Amino acid sequence: QQQVKQSPQSLIVQKGGISIINCAYENTAFDYFPWYQQFPGKGPALLIAIRPDVSEKKEGRFTISFNKSAKQFSLHIMDSQPGDSATYFCAASAGDSNYQLIWGAGTKLIIKP
Amino acid sequence: EAQVTQNPRYLITVTGKKLTVTCSQNMNHEYMSWYRQDPGLGLRQIYYSMNVEVTDKGDVPEGYKVSRKEKRNFPLILESPSPNQTSLYFCASRAGQAAGELFFGEGSRLTVL
Repeated sequence: QQQVKQSPQSLIVQKGGISIINCAYENTAFDYFPWYQQFPGKGPALLIAIRPDVSEKKEGRFTISFNKSAKQFSLHIMDSQPGDSATYFCAASAGDSNYQLIWGAGTKLIIKP
Repeated sequence: EAQVTQNPRYLITVTGKKLTVTCSQNMNHEYMSWYRQDPGLGLRQIYYSMNVEVTDKGDVPEGYKVSRKEKRNFPLILESPSPNQTSLYFCASRAGQAAGELFFGEGSRLTVL
């Protein structure tokens, strides 16, 4: 019940296309859902995060869509650029566990020029 | 510059030789955590600390020790390293005990022969 399932494991998208990464969870106590971006040789860095009181959050070309009833959330990258090539991790946490993040397994995204 | 600093960044050692990976943050963060990253397994939490002198096990604590004697430092100790501890290790910190951005170090790649 503590798992966060992320898909796909890897993704290749043409420059200018839309990249979509999906995550699913079981624990209804989760109330914080961040996405982290990791470039090779670097630590992950927060990209965007959402709380379950909204269904969508947009920051520039990056959008989180959240479906509370389906217990799913996804990252959409519009107009994908080669500089977006990285590994993306979704995560979830809950207050009753001191907001320890439960991580998805990661998606390696490659944007082809 | 706000940062989390880990040392060493790269280390090759032999089975059984005690080692310490240091982690220091300059943001006065209460919360610190250690993760290991392995291909296909994402980020797995080893130990975390909610504050000075308060530490707790994460998902994979076996073979590791930590201490939190000062707010800024959170060293990871491998008393008797084994080959299955070959991994990429990340230290991270967060401002408070609620949900929020995790700041990661750049990682320490450890190889145990």
